[in-house]
Amino acid sequence: DTAVSQTPKYLVTQMGNDKSIKCEQNLGHDTMYWYKQDSKKFLKIMFSYNNKELIINETVPNRFSPKSPDKAHLNLHINSLELGDSAVYFCASSHGGGDEKLFFGSGTQLSVL
Amino acid sequence: GENVEQHPSTLSVQEGDSAVIKCTYSDSASNYFPWYKQELGKRPQLIIDIRSNVGEKKDQRIAVTLNKTAKHFSLHITETQPEDSAVYFCAAPSGGYQKVTFGTGTKLQVIP
Repeated sequence: DTAVSQTPKYLVTQMGNDKSIKCEQNLGHDTMYWYKQDSKKFLKIMFSYNNKELIINETVPNRFSPKSPDKAHLNLHINSLELGDSAVYFCASSHGGGDEKLFFGSGTQLSVL
Repeated sequence: GENVEQHPSTLSVQEGDSAVIKCTYSDSASNYFPWYKQELGKRPQLIIDIRSNVGEKKDQRIAVTLNKTAKHFSLHITETQPEDSAVYFCAAPSGGYQKVTFGTGTKLQVIP
């Protein structure tokens, strides 16, 4: 059983489109995150949710809208995709907050053409 | 907010040599310092971590040291092997521990 699973693994789309990435964890963790990894491999936090509540929104454009229907799921919807959105998006979870081990999903490689 | 600096950005070593990667952090309240390894095309995975009440922790060929006064911590890999080739990230929590800030990564290449 995969602990943190995200879909799709690859996403290729045109500029201006809207797309979603889904994430689920079966670890019983309270906190989930979205990270963006750019072409230089920098891992930058986007959002953090604790028990379905938004805790961190790291100055991400409001074209990005996370949604947590329950504490095991955290989805990411992106409107009006731009070239600069091309990156690998990682979902992660932890038992408590940031002072605990992070478990990452396998990543979604988004390519905006 | 937390600022985590990591050096070097790239590191090449001969197989069997040691590798050291250093990170500094800014938030004196940080109390947990993990290291993640990311192989090409894969997800980051925790390889070792240390809490602020400990100065050093070892796990086989890898070790982490922490200097809270100077606000820096280091990853040490001894007897490097080709499978150690990867990008390594340090990290530190901040923002009431709801946020984890990563260093900029070190690409380690172990030359056989």
